[in-house]
Amino acid sequence: GQNIDQPTEMTATEGAIVQINCTYQTSGFNGLFWYQQHAGEAPTFLSYNVLDGLEEKGRFSSFLSRSKGYSYLLLKELQMKDSASYLCAFSPNAGNNRKLIWGLGTSLAVNP
Amino acid sequence: KAGVTQTPRYLIKTRGQQVTLSCSPISGHRSVSWYQQTPGQGLQFLFEYFSETQRNKGNFPGRFSGRQFSNSRSEMNVSTLELGDSALYLCASSGRLAGDTDTQYFGPGTRLTVL
Repeated sequence: GQNIDQPTEMTATEGAIVQINCTYQTSGFNGLFWYQQHAGEAPTFLSYNVLDGLEEKGRFSSFLSRSKGYSYLLLKELQMKDSASYLCAFSPNAGNNRKLIWGLGTSLAVNP
Repeated sequence: KAGVTQTPRYLIKTRGQQVTLSCSPISGHRSVSWYQQTPGQGLQFLFEYFSETQRNKGNFPGRFSGRQFSNSRSEMNVSTLELGDSALYLCASSGRLAGDTDTQYFGPGTRLTVL
């Protein structure tokens, strides 16, 4: 079967670094997405990894290990506005990135 | 580029009624996906339309249906509403633009409350 798991809640301090983990199990895999969702708003795209390794994009970085079924999102120099839910999702089908399998999201609270 | 738009933003219905939600994708995008989001279940995939054809379908009952028009706008219909249908309904559009990898861009959602 297919499943995906991420922690429910995390807390961090402004200016710090936080790592949000995501593990998945699937027979087919065509990449992993990270989205940010503020309360009451739509999810917004953060990153997409299809190859192993680290992708850096400003304060946010995303890592993927396909052999371990593992990804993480790294947020540096945390700001209060980073308080949000972070969703990971993978695509199980090659050439079809629309039918994604989503985690329940990790609610991150950034404290002053 | 203009984003994904959804109407209405909020809707209150009673059990047994039906509802139609609308989604206009980003200009040039031909794929529209629909999701149901609830606190306990997270994002659940409903279906995806591409060039007026349903290409993917999630595990929802037949009360949930959709369609896509020639201009890529999509509608989702839920008949015989149940209390459990209360949720945020999100649509997402995707298309092969330069630099994109079928990334999905979400609209603001329609908050449906069934009483």
